[in-house]
Amino acid sequence: GQQVMQIPQYQHVQEGEDFTTYCNSSTTLSNIQWYKQRPGGHPVFLIQLVKSGEVKKQKRLTFQFGEAKKNSSLHITATQTTDVGTYFCIIYSGAGSYQLTFGKGTKLSVIP
Amino acid sequence: DTGVSQDPRHKITKRGQNVTFRCDPISEHNRLYWYRQTLGQGPEFLTYFQNEAQLEKSRLLSDRFSAERPKGSFSTLEIQRTEQGDSAMYLCASSLLSWGAKNIQYFGAGTRLSVL
Repeated sequence: GQQVMQIPQYQHVQEGEDFTTYCNSSTTLSNIQWYKQRPGGHPVFLIQLVKSGEVKKQKRLTFQFGEAKKNSSLHITATQTTDVGTYFCIIYSGAGSYQLTFGKGTKLSVIP
Repeated sequence: DTGVSQDPRHKITKRGQNVTFRCDPISEHNRLYWYRQTLGQGPEFLTYFQNEAQLEKSRLLSDRFSAERPKGSFSTLEIQRTEQGDSAMYLCASSLLSWGAKNIQYFGAGTRLSVL
């Protein structure tokens, strides 16, 4: 099935700094989803990207889907302590499969 | 609470014992997923149901694992002859299959299994 590489694995930022996490695939994706998991919590849906070059914003969060639909990014402007958690991208594993593959996640720590 | 509920929240068992977990999805959701998550890792897909049909199983799912969703509502995940390597958080998620739907998965809080 399809694999997705997510980087970085960890990111420590000072409160107020920006943060970006990236997901990369070797194959073209039909869509990509982003989820956030707070420490001790469960994954919560953030957004789905479908169109080539799509950009979506949610307050301080900006999500992008690459033109070739092989990569995606999540950018947080001016991080806050409430942004702490692990951010995952999820893709469908391949044609005819219902399997969803999570990236390994980027764990964000925000230093107040 | 109308979200996904999982029971029990924690399970401690001895190696070799059988355990069963239950997941109650959001009532109108016809898709149900089971995942396993170990510390510091992303959730790994185990199996998927559409209504009562189990449509896909991961190669990670050994013969000791079995899942059911008999009436297309709640689901159970059974692990037979547990091993220490089965210790993990088992997450259930549900979503709604419909035309144009985004397949947003709603996760339960999980069942944390510790095998001694």
